[in-house]
Amino acid sequence: DTEVTQTPKHLVMGMTNKKSLKCEQHMGHRAMYWYKQKAKKPPELMFVYSYEKLSINESVPSRFSPECPNSSLLNLHLHALQPEDSALYLCASSQDRSKPEAFFGQGTRLTVV
Amino acid sequence: EDQVTQSPEALRLQEGESSSLNCSYTVSGLRGLFWYRQDPGKGPEFLFTLYSAGEEKEKERLKATLTKKESFLHITAPKPEDSATYLCAVQAGGNNRLAFGKGNQVVVIP
Repeated sequence: DTEVTQTPKHLVMGMTNKKSLKCEQHMGHRAMYWYKQKAKKPPELMFVYSYEKLSINESVPSRFSPECPNSSLLNLHLHALQPEDSALYLCASSQDRSKPEAFFGQGTRLTVV
Repeated sequence: EDQVTQSPEALRLQEGESSSLNCSYTVSGLRGLFWYRQDPGKGPEFLFTLYSAGEEKEKERLKATLTKKESFLHITAPKPEDSATYLCAVQAGGNNRLAFGKGNQVVVIP
């Protein structure tokens, strides 16, 4: 089983709203990632959690707030977003250094209006 | 800084017309090179991991190879369902950061 589940699949939010994206994996992976992807561009790394601790923050604006409640769950809290934040948000996970390949969820299509 | 360059950016193939996609990389301490397939509006689907020069992996009509400077994804006798964007990514050094290329957009015409 190489499944990473993301919810919701689609989200439309206003610039004053607060919303959260959720990601879950049950592969026992200890690294989890958030990526942002614009149309016809490759995924851009936002955050990495390793063993439930934030290990990489790619200078992401504070209106994006990640959270890793346990080893299977990853959340991305959204507040006061801008229209340019509209994108496909991807969650991924990987096992560890000996098996570094990352498996991606199907993404959340976010539209900020 | 890790760099990954994919070529060609876009490729149109007739069904059955074999071709190769290129991914050249400049990294220090390669831990792995990965190929993904991505359909529009979907998350990338993992295809292969290559760890060292000379390694080859195959899956159906796809074959990935690795040298010290580049990787090739060979598509043999492609079908329309092979139409997708193929992403190459590398992981290097001691962190979990994946560096992606811009992708090869492949269209296979019946």
